[in-house]
Amino acid sequence: DAGVIQSPRHEVTEMGQEVTLRCKPISGHNSLFWYRQTMMRGLELLIYFNNNVPIDDSGMPEDRFSAKMPNASFSTLKIQPSEPRDSAVYFCASSSPRASYNSPLHFGNGTRLTVT
Amino acid sequence: SQQGEEDPQALSIQEGENATMNCSYKTSINNLQWYRQNSGRGLVHLILIRSNEREKHSGRLRVTLDTSKKSSSLLITASRAADTASYFCATDAGGTSYGKLTFGQGTILTVHP
Repeated sequence: DAGVIQSPRHEVTEMGQEVTLRCKPISGHNSLFWYRQTMMRGLELLIYFNNNVPIDDSGMPEDRFSAKMPNASFSTLKIQPSEPRDSAVYFCASSSPRASYNSPLHFGNGTRLTVT
Repeated sequence: SQQGEEDPQALSIQEGENATMNCSYKTSINNLQWYRQNSGRGLVHLILIRSNEREKHSGRLRVTLDTSKKSSSLLITASRAADTASYFCATDAGGTSYGKLTFGQGTILTVHP
């Protein structure tokens, strides 16, 4: 299995531009998570989906952020307009169907976003 | 807010020594997990311990959980230079938060050859 695939690996953009981050979860996994990592705040959960349905988006910082999961094999996180404080590493993770209550997360290698 | 808090923030040891990292959390949990992150990479799951378990082993890793003290520890025995990474604990509160992991700030481990 190729694991969780994120693109792009690096994104540099100017303030005010739209940014779209992409994620392909592991095939067969039905839960997908978007995390953001910064030195100051650590790892923050932004939103997660179960069976393509958003379950909890309480971590999305503001209306500039939106996430979609149109099908089981693809998700996007969009920031419009972007701001310098959005600079961070954004991780996507997926987990398998919960036959039991305990399934670890499988992370992608992240997208490093720099907004100038 | 961070559920897990790791201690120490940074740990520097020589190859062959043991490394112990601690994690404290605030609310009741369904399970606690430990992850490793190498520089520039995503997190990798190491081990999961359920709330009704007290100790678990996986190779050179040993995890303990004390739910009365709301704390866990990760012991890496006979450390190697390749163990150099950041280590995070993460808690799964279960219930309506089922599957939602909250991560601590991490411990940066450096193992000198």
